[in-house]
Amino acid sequence: EAGVVQSPRYKIIEKKQPVAFWCNPISGHNTLYWYLQNLGQGPELLIRYENEEAVDDSQLPKDRFSAERLKGVDSTLKIQPAELGDSAVYLCASGERNTEAFFGQGTRLTVV
Amino acid sequence: RKEVEQDPGPFNVPEGATVAFNCTYSNSASQSFFWYRQDCRKEPKLLMSVYSSGNEDGRFTAQLNRASQYISLLIRDSKLSDSATYLCVVNRGSARQLTFGSGTQLTVLP
Repeated sequence: EAGVVQSPRYKIIEKKQPVAFWCNPISGHNTLYWYLQNLGQGPELLIRYENEEAVDDSQLPKDRFSAERLKGVDSTLKIQPAELGDSAVYLCASGERNTEAFFGQGTRLTVV
Repeated sequence: RKEVEQDPGPFNVPEGATVAFNCTYSNSASQSFFWYRQDCRKEPKLLMSVYSSGNEDGRFTAQLNRASQYISLLIRDSKLSDSATYLCVVNRGSARQLTFGSGTQLTVLP
């Protein structure tokens, strides 16, 4: 069975440019998470979906970040405009009730 | 104060050693607990869930103390392949609100 798939794996952009990340969760998983991980830190939640509904987006910087999960399956996370401080690894994870979260390999973003 | 706090590390131990990691959480409503392992430049992966009665999986033992809001992970007979960062994870409430600690880095030396 395929795991959580993310793309791209790596992205280098100039500051003020837009960028988008894509995530395909494990089939049947209703819960989808986007986390941000800085070097030497644990993942920090940006947004959590239950099906197509964003149930926890309190940590999402809404002035520049947006996310969607159309049809309750795939999800995209967008940053516009990107800032130098956004350089990090963006992790997508999925899960179902009473199980752990499974992570994708992440997108490593570098803003120059 | 962070919701989930871990030993800062890093831990450098010789092969065969026993090493223990600690984690404390601040939200008494937390209901489930996990240890994840993350290799360098890889994604986190579940190592084990932590049950109230304590649980063991081979060389790994996890303990939970709800009264003290404290979780531990014990690794016996350390292997070189155990070198990784260990993340303490707390699920707050009945919803799937997974909060991660900053991680503890372990290096097992030959």
